[in-house]
Amino acid sequence: QKEVEQNSGPLSVPEGAIASLNCTYSDRGSQSFFWYRQYSGKSPELIMSIYSNGDKEDGRFTAQLNKASQYVSLLIRDSQPSDSATYLCAVRTTSYGKLTFGQGTILTVHP
Amino acid sequence: DGGITQSPKYLFRKEGQNVTLSCEQNLNHDAMYWYRQDPGQGLRLIYYSQIVNDFQKGDIAEGYSVSREKKESFPLTVTSAQKNPTAFYLCAIQGRDTEAFFGQGTRLTVV
Repeated sequence: QKEVEQNSGPLSVPEGAIASLNCTYSDRGSQSFFWYRQYSGKSPELIMSIYSNGDKEDGRFTAQLNKASQYVSLLIRDSQPSDSATYLCAVRTTSYGKLTFGQGTILTVHP
Repeated sequence: DGGITQSPKYLFRKEGQNVTLSCEQNLNHDAMYWYRQDPGQGLRLIYYSQIVNDFQKGDIAEGYSVSREKKESFPLTVTSAQKNPTAFYLCAIQGRDTEAFFGQGTRLTVV
């Protein structure tokens, strides 16, 4: 079993729709959870971080964390073509611990 | 201008040659990381350092070496023992209880 696993892609949604990206992790001691967006040929950039159970909203983005189910998700509302990218889920177990990444999900938003 | 700087952006290596990738930061972060990214595989940890003159192997350290003589610098050497070095290499910095920030990456190609 992979330590961090993301839903297989690619994911294609029409402009204006909600895109749902999912991630599961195996280490119950995980403390911090991150979503990164990566455009082709570029480095990852942080979109959201979440540390406690529940929802965290930032503009069109909502991160959801359920530690009991070992599940974290990212919702993108009113998807735009500029949201087309690879989305990486990352999990950390200790304060200075290394991040473990999922394999990424490619999202395409078509006009 | 603060941040994390990787150089060069593109690097070509001949068979049997060692090459060194540079990573410099001026944000005074203790922890620095090197990741490798191959298509469809997310990011995999090569080496990391949480303090000057100390570093640990990550998940795929074979064929790589690092040094941490200064807090600002964490160079990665890809040795001739690394048989499949073609990849996108990312350096990251991370503070205590914070997310990781990435440099712009170095794309290494074997010629």
